[in-house]
Amino acid sequence: DAKTTQPPSMDCAEGRAANLPCNHSTISGNEYVYWYRQIHSQGPQYIIHGLKNNETNEMASLIITEDRKSSTLILPHATLRDTAVYYCIVRVASNTGKLIFGQGTTLQVKP
Amino acid sequence: NAGVTQTPKFQVLKTGQSMTLQCAQDMNHNSMYWYRQDPGMGLRLIYYSASEGTTDKGEVPNGYNVSRLNKREFSLRLESAAPSQTSVYFCASYRAGAYNEQFFGPGTRLTVL
Repeated sequence: DAKTTQPPSMDCAEGRAANLPCNHSTISGNEYVYWYRQIHSQGPQYIIHGLKNNETNEMASLIITEDRKSSTLILPHATLRDTAVYYCIVRVASNTGKLIFGQGTTLQVKP
Repeated sequence: NAGVTQTPKFQVLKTGQSMTLQCAQDMNHNSMYWYRQDPGMGLRLIYYSASEGTTDKGEVPNGYNVSRLNKREFSLRLESAAPSQTSVYFCASYRAGAYNEQFFGPGTRLTVL
């Protein structure tokens, strides 16, 4: 599975959009980009995933560059409850479902 | 649905003691996983079970054993606990299909003295 690089920390003002970047320059054609988050000491929570096209759900949007070497997770209107560690994970969709976590980005949403 | 449940929530052991961490899911998922998370670090995969009756090593399997008791339950055993195993342990189950997402339990906080 391809390795990812994320900034260790970011701040965002409450109500503003939070844009979390992720580099995955060695991604292969059959690898998906997944985002999970972990709110203080809880188990991680799935947010969104994509292969090539941009994706949106009730939680966030995922923008993947055309060359697929980087992506951005967008939380459109960040709230204090979005303060968490956000993990970008790249992997092949398979029956085993294994995830390899990196260090992630700690997002601090400030009032 | 309770989702993924883990017991106990907290545990303190002395070096050399043994214990089993229990995990159960009620979502009829085939695959289950055990991760550990040390302070300030991401999760690391210990063992996983792709389906009932199978188990495989992850990134950090040394010092652990697992049992996939049935489709619902996946246990993690520490035979002789060491201080280096002080960590938070998360169990997860996996739904293949449209979302391919893992569902995580609340974690077990283990301290080995």
